[in-house]
This record gives sequence, C-alpha cells and structure tokens, in this order.
Amino acid sequence: GNSVTQMEGPVTLSEEAFLTINCTYTATGYPSLFWYVQYPGEGLQLLLKATKADDKGSNKGFEATYRKETTSFHLEKGSVQVSDSAVYFCALGYDKIIFGKGTRLHILP
Amino acid sequence: EAQVTQNPRYLITVTGKKLTVTCSQNMNHEYMSWYRQDPGLGLRQIYYSMNVEVTDKGDVPEGYKVSRKEKRNFPLILESPSPNQTSLYFCASSPQDSEYGYTFGSGTRLTVV
Repeated sequence: GNSVTQMEGPVTLSEEAFLTINCTYTATGYPSLFWYVQYPGEGLQLLLKATKADDKGSNKGFEATYRKETTSFHLEKGSVQVSDSAVYFCALGYDKIIFGKGTRLHILP
Repeated sequence: EAQVTQNPRYLITVTGKKLTVTCSQNMNHEYMSWYRQDPGLGLRQIYYSMNVEVTDKGDVPEGYKVSRKEKRNFPLILESPSPNQTSLYFCASSPQDSEYGYTFGSGTRLTVV
C-alpha cells in the first residue's frame, strides 16, 4: 500500500545552518506530495506541495523537489531561523492523504 | 478569513460521559476528515466525509461517530469515552480529496479520566 517514511527526530541545528529533512514514499500511480508544518500549540499548516514529477514546491525559504526516480521529496532550507522550530510532516496524496510520523526541528540561537 | 474552526480547544471529561467536538469550515469544501495525533504514532485518520450524508471509516474509527448533515459541519461524537481516547484531535477540510492538500483546525486536546 501507499506509505511515507521520513527521518526521525529530533533534529537540532544552529541558526543559519542548512536544513535537510528526508522523506521517501511508496505509492502506486502518481500521487501529490506535501510538506506540512506544525508550530507549538497549533494545527498543521500546508508549507508546500508538488503535484507531478520534477515539480519544485517552495515557500518561506523552504524547497522540495518531487523525485520520481528516487521516490523522494526531501525538504531543504539554506539558512534556518529560530522561528523555524516546529514539527514537519511529509505527506502523500493519492486516494487519500497519508502522513509521515513527523520530524521535530529545534533551532538554537 | 478561510478557516476550519474546532471547539472546544481543551476538554477534560470522565469515562463514559458522551461528548461532541464540533468542526466547521467556511470554504465550501466537499471533503472533511478527523485525525488524532499521539506521540510516536503520528496522525491517524478516524473518519472522513466526501460530501453531505457521505461518511466512511478511516484507520482508527472504533469508539467514534460522525455525521455530515450540512456541508460546513462535521462533528465528532464519542458516545462513551475511555482513557485510551485521550489525544489531540484535528479536523481538516479540502475542496477535493488529496490533490489540494488539507486546511486544518487548531486542534482539540481531550483528556478522559
């Protein structure tokens, strides 16, 4: 069946460091791929999405490229800020949306 | 403002006392869904609805009921809550399934003692 696997956290980085959170998926067909972010005490917010192979989603300095050949959708940001501390969820949308288990990110000042 | 509104935000109740968590969206979305979030287990879907009067079970429906009498509302009902239903609950909506992504409510933290 369809599934999403993302790297376990927590991930701790210093401010201005480069961020990568890995996400791979298994799916039949051609799903849409998403990254969601959950700030403390809040619901999930859609961060970015890509609907077909080689699409790049981007928002707030974050980027992810839909790689069909490696079935991946890794999240990257060139220079993280303390305000990026949150839980990040990779998700796959086909007949329904399936979420990864989330990666907690801590950014130290 | 386009949003999904859940109430209450926090609820403490006793085992067996029926409760309802309300969810309302103002975006005219067809698709609505309930999730629970637990440490180490991520998000698990409880029930979903493709449109008015159309509901179906998700991955963990036991102990829950839903109804979709109007497009905007999708309440979650716990007829006889138990401590293992202590969790953080989220309602979400979408114009259609999957491709558009979901808009989430702010969550309801439920404690059953």
